[in-house]
Amino acid sequence: AQKITQTQPGMFVQEKEAVTLDCTYDTSDPSYGLFWYKQPSSGEMIFLIYQGSYDQQNATEGRYSLNFQKARKSANLVISASQLGDSAMYFCAMREAGANNLFFGTGTRLTVIP
Amino acid sequence: GAGVSQSPSNKVTEKGKDVELRCDPISGHTALYWYRQSLGQGLEFLIYFQGNSAPDKSGLPSDRFSAERTGGSVSTLTIQRTQQEDSAVYLCASSPRTGTYSYEQYFGPGTRLTVT
Repeated sequence: AQKITQTQPGMFVQEKEAVTLDCTYDTSDPSYGLFWYKQPSSGEMIFLIYQGSYDQQNATEGRYSLNFQKARKSANLVISASQLGDSAMYFCAMREAGANNLFFGTGTRLTVIP
Repeated sequence: GAGVSQSPSNKVTEKGKDVELRCDPISGHTALYWYRQSLGQGLEFLIYFQGNSAPDKSGLPSDRFSAERTGGSVSTLTIQRTQQEDSAVYLCASSPRTGTYSYEQYFGPGTRLTVT
């Protein structure tokens, strides 16, 4: 079974609008962290936001927020006030406490339309 | 400060040749990871180093792949007898410490490997 599922291969959003990128995860480990990374066309992976499994509040970082629904095992990324520079691939990832590495989803390509 | 650096940025090689990819992590980071990203795919874990501990090689796809980390810093990923399916972007990441799942990994720009 896939540990991270991103069901939206591509998304479009109008500039200045908000957009939600979906991510669901699968783990039996009670301790884990969820991450979102942005990969622009240059190829570098840029860390955006982190949510721990025991965190009570949804994480926020500037225009990024994570809608964490633990019971549903979802960790959707919300980008508010989209900008043209937000156009990129976005990857959801998880690290379980018992593992050394990150498990990545297949990504969502976001295109911001002027 | 300096981020994770990787060299070369691009490598084209003939099938059957050996290649070496280099990663220089952020100074002071004790954890180092190698991932592979095939075209249009997410990242696939290859190998993990933490300090002087034995590496976690559980992600290496075959015995043609190996990696070492010298002096707890620079790492080299070696692919022997390259195959066309090895064509991918190889990404290196480092992290300040491990033992917890909360530390983000800082990625380098990657090496794009093309096997002809």
